[in-house]
Amino acid sequence: RKEVEQDPGPFNVPEGATVAFNCTYSNSASQSFFWYRQDCRKEPKLLMSVYSSGNEDGRFTAQLNRASQYISLLIRDSKLSDSATYLCVVAPTDKLTFGTGTRLAVRP
Amino acid sequence: DARVTQTPRHKVTEMGQEVTMRCQPILGHNTVFWYRQTMMQGLELLAYFRNRAPLDDSGMPKDRFSAEMPDATLATLKIQPSEPRDSAVYFCASGSGMTTFNYGYTFGSGTRLTVV
Repeated sequence: RKEVEQDPGPFNVPEGATVAFNCTYSNSASQSFFWYRQDCRKEPKLLMSVYSSGNEDGRFTAQLNRASQYISLLIRDSKLSDSATYLCVVAPTDKLTFGTGTRLAVRP
Repeated sequence: DARVTQTPRHKVTEMGQEVTMRCQPILGHNTVFWYRQTMMQGLELLAYFRNRAPLDDSGMPKDRFSAEMPDATLATLKIQPSEPRDSAVYFCASGSGMTTFNYGYTFGSGTRLTVV
């Protein structure tokens, strides 16, 4: 079983749609959780950290369920500029473990 | 903004040649990571240093790859001899203790390697 599993997609959605990505992780000792965004031919960049109580940053909402070892990212009112690959990341130690990413394509 | 700097940005080389990629981590960061990314494999961890000491290089083909940190401001990844299957984007990332747990790593822009 992979340490971090994500649906690779692609998710094809119209502008303005709400889209949700899920991710499961296997190491119950994981302490920190993140979503990274990677644009085509660019480096991964931190989108947001994921806190136990859930957290929101503008149109983005992240949730963590430690009991089910599950992380989610919700994007509301999708923009064309949200088209990218979204990487789920967990940190059992200071060595982060990356999922393979979920590709999102937002169409006009 | 503090940045991780990687050089070169692009490298085209012939099979059998030596390739050296360089990374300058963010000042004060004590963990440095080398990743390789291809379309098929996603991000693969090649090597990991903490306080300049190699902690994990199990993801690296030992016969041809080597990674070092000659000082706190420079990490290198060397391939000798290079092969076409090494063609990929190589990313360096750095982090620091509690910063990593709160903010993850910062990645460099990558070195796009093509071996012909």
